[in-house]
Amino acid sequence: SQQGEEDPQALSIQEGENATMNCSYKTSINNLQWYRQNSGRGLVHLILIRSNEREKHSGRLRVTLDTSKKSSSLLITASRAADTASYFCATLRASGSRLTFGEGTQLTVNP
Amino acid sequence: EAGVAQSPRYKIIEKRQSVAFWCNPISGHATLYWYQQILGQGPKLLIQFQNNGVVDDSQLPKDRFSAERLKGVDSTLKIQPAKLEDSAVYLCASSLSSGGSYEQYFGPGTRLTVT
Repeated sequence: SQQGEEDPQALSIQEGENATMNCSYKTSINNLQWYRQNSGRGLVHLILIRSNEREKHSGRLRVTLDTSKKSSSLLITASRAADTASYFCATLRASGSRLTFGEGTQLTVNP
Repeated sequence: EAGVAQSPRYKIIEKRQSVAFWCNPISGHATLYWYQQILGQGPKLLIQFQNNGVVDDSQLPKDRFSAERLKGVDSTLKIQPAKLEDSAVYLCASSLSSGGSYEQYFGPGTRLTVT
């Protein structure tokens, strides 16, 4: 079964709005990572948050992690049409070396 | 800095045929990964190399899939014989080291269609 599950599966917003995507997981983790995938391309690493961290920022991205609820959220502020892509969370288990990816959220930002 | 290179970008074969994919990681990256991404799903790790040794191949269907990383640089992934359910994008990624705390850099992928 998937370690990470994203919610919602698809999200459509207008340019300038904020987009929030959520990820839930099942087992204890070492870290959680978010990746972006544009159509027909490989994945691009966005941000990594460790299990002892609660929040991280990178430009217009804000990631939170709640280990008690086994969940994370990715917030993209002031979205742009270029943010249109699939977003995946990936978890590294506390006892493993393999990243496990979720099913992804398809974000569409309308101009 | 050159990214992860993969070839071919697209491949169409008939079931029961064989196919091979090639990957050249970022220079200096010790860890190389092969993922399978079925349409609408997230990538699933097939095999992970640290230099030229296998770290994790627990999800590789070894009856038909094989991979090697000669000299700890380039890698090839082979499928023989292919099945319809192997239709997917095969992604290669590399990182400085293993352990999961290093950013993985992905190539553009090879889209395989098995008819």
